Parts: sequence; C-alpha cells; structure tokens
Amino acid sequence: DIQMTQSPSTLSASVGDRVTITCRASQSISSWLAWYEQKPGKVPKLLIYKASSLESGVPSRFSGSGSGTEFTLTISSLQPDDFATYYCQQYNSYSLTFGQGTKLEIK
Amino acid sequence: QITLKESGPTLVKPTQTLTLTCTFSGFSLSTNDVGVGWIRQPPGKALEWLALIYWDDDKRYSPSLKSRLTITKDTSKNQVVLTMTNMDPVDTATYYCAHSHNYFDYWGQGTLVTVSS
Repeated sequence: DIQMTQSPSTLSASVGDRVTITCRASQSISSWLAWYEQKPGKVPKLLIYKASSLESGVPSRFSGSGSGTEFTLTISSLQPDDFATYYCQQYNSYSLTFGQGTKLEIK
Repeated sequence: QITLKESGPTLVKPTQTLTLTCTFSGFSLSTNDVGVGWIRQPPGKALEWLALIYWDDDKRYSPSLKSRLTITKDTSKNQVVLTMTNMDPVDTATYYCAHSHNYFDYWGQGTLVTVSS
C-alpha cells in the first residue's frame, strides 16, 4: 500500500499569511494527487486534482505542486474562510489513500 | 447538477452486517471513466477510503477491509450499494459516497453509523 504523510499535522497562521502544507508518498505516484478542504461538520471539498489542476470554482489563492513523492498545497494569502483541515489523497495505485490531515488554525 | 445521498441504518449491533445505499443523480454510471466510491470518517479522525466501483464494473477495495466489503451498482436505479460485514464499535463513523474520477469531486452529505449493542 502507498502511505501518505502530511506535515505539519497542525499549522497556526494569521489572515494574510502564505502557508504551505506538504504531502509525501511512500513511493512515486507521478502526479496522481488530490487535495481537499474540510470544515467542521461539513463535507470534504475538492480543491486540486492531478497535483496542480485547480477545481472549478476554487479561488486562485490555492495552488498545488509536486510530482513523484513530494507535493505541496499553498495558500497564497490566508482568508478567514480557509481555516479548516486539509487532506491529500493519492490515486496512482489500485487502492486509494488519504493523508492523515493538516489542521490549519488561527494564530 | 450532480448529487449523491447516502441511506441506511444509523445504528447497528456488533457482528451485524451494514448495508448502505448511495442514490445519485446528474450522471450515469455507464459513462466511461466514471466511478462511485465510499469513504468513511470516524468522529474527530481522518478520511479513510473504503471501496470504489467503476462504470465498467471494475471494483477496488481497501486492502485492510477487503474481506469485509462488497460494492455493487444498479445502473438502472442510479444506485451503488456497500455492504460491510462483522461490524465493530471501531467502525462507528460518518460514511460518505462520492462521484469519482479516482479523486472525488462530488460528495454526499454523509450518514453517521454508530455500532453499539
């Protein structure tokens, strides 16, 4: 199985900050990676697919990069609505895997 | 407009079998490259992928749960059914179904299933 490890597990930041979340795969997954945002009590929302493709309707302050085993989700200027938990998910292999999540908190 | 909705019991007893139905609209599971998957999330914990069925009836399962899971589709009814055998309290979670291109772009609202005697 491919394991996905996100870092950090928790991130404290302020409105306006630029933040980066990292997701590492235990083996190469090419660019087959998605990112999701989940707010408390809400359904996960797709932000990015194929490592860097922005889902329709997602603000351009969100961007994704990486290939192989290391990937990043960047929020260029944090907005109050962005404080949430973020998950990566690989879809390279027969079985799919989510990361353990990164909680983005207000500093 | 793509929508999905999960239905099934909210409470099951240990050792029982859970059957969940995902009823969807706005797409067809006979369309190339389309799938429907199931994902769960225990309270306060991370997302866990369970199973995925594709338009061509290809089925994939989480290796750790494969022996307990079965996923099927009824294209005419626009439904996907997940069964999970031998339920345990650790299986208490919100269960989601989602439209898939291997990633999940449309999600149901989720259904909380509690396993307790």
